[in-house]
Amino acid sequence: AQSVTQLDSQVPVFEEAPVELRCNYSSSVSVYLFWYVQYPNQGLQLLLKYLSGSTLVKGINGFEAEFNKSQTSFHLRKPSVHISDTAEYFCAVSALNTGNQFYFGTGTSLTVIP
Amino acid sequence: DTEVTQTPKHLVMGMTNKKSLKCEQHMGHRAMYWYKQKAKKPPELMFVYSYEKLSINESVPSRFSPECPNSSLLNLHLHALQPEDSALYLCASSQVGGRVGSAGNTIYFGEGSWLTVV
Repeated sequence: AQSVTQLDSQVPVFEEAPVELRCNYSSSVSVYLFWYVQYPNQGLQLLLKYLSGSTLVKGINGFEAEFNKSQTSFHLRKPSVHISDTAEYFCAVSALNTGNQFYFGTGTSLTVIP
Repeated sequence: DTEVTQTPKHLVMGMTNKKSLKCEQHMGHRAMYWYKQKAKKPPELMFVYSYEKLSINESVPSRFSPECPNSSLLNLHLHALQPEDSALYLCASSQVGGRVGSAGNTIYFGEGSWLTVV
């Protein structure tokens, strides 16, 4: 079985400061990893994904994430946040032996403070 | 802009009503999904259609009835709902899904339909 842990339920950060949102997963098989963002009253939008290859993945809006197999982590980072980054962020895994079922973390609410 | 469109955006229904949520995608995807999302919670998978056939039903109560008329359309028929069914219902699609070997395909979400049961 697969599981995803997002330890930080809420992350407040000042505008233009760096941010890291943590994601750890558990799986007995190889996984694919995704980060989604959900702005208020909207659906989920893909930020970035790791399927294979380079462990550093760049996404939209200046976000990037690094896949660390030994630590089973896929942390999301941005060097300088904007007010518009205020949103809910979900980490998700899709295991190799499943029918593309996504297992979502509980989400991290990022609040950017002016 | 999302390429998965959902209607209506908002729906208020009584517990004895029958209503439907509709979803459409024109990306040529062969897997379509229904998710339910409560406030500040992650989406919960309800149903997956693969090549227009129901492939996954996550033990959803029968008052929710999905339908996939063709590869572009997905409906969710609602009947005799309870107030606790009030939530955001998200439709999604991916190139393939719902069968082993399809892992890793990005799931694209619609904006959702806000359902309130009174």
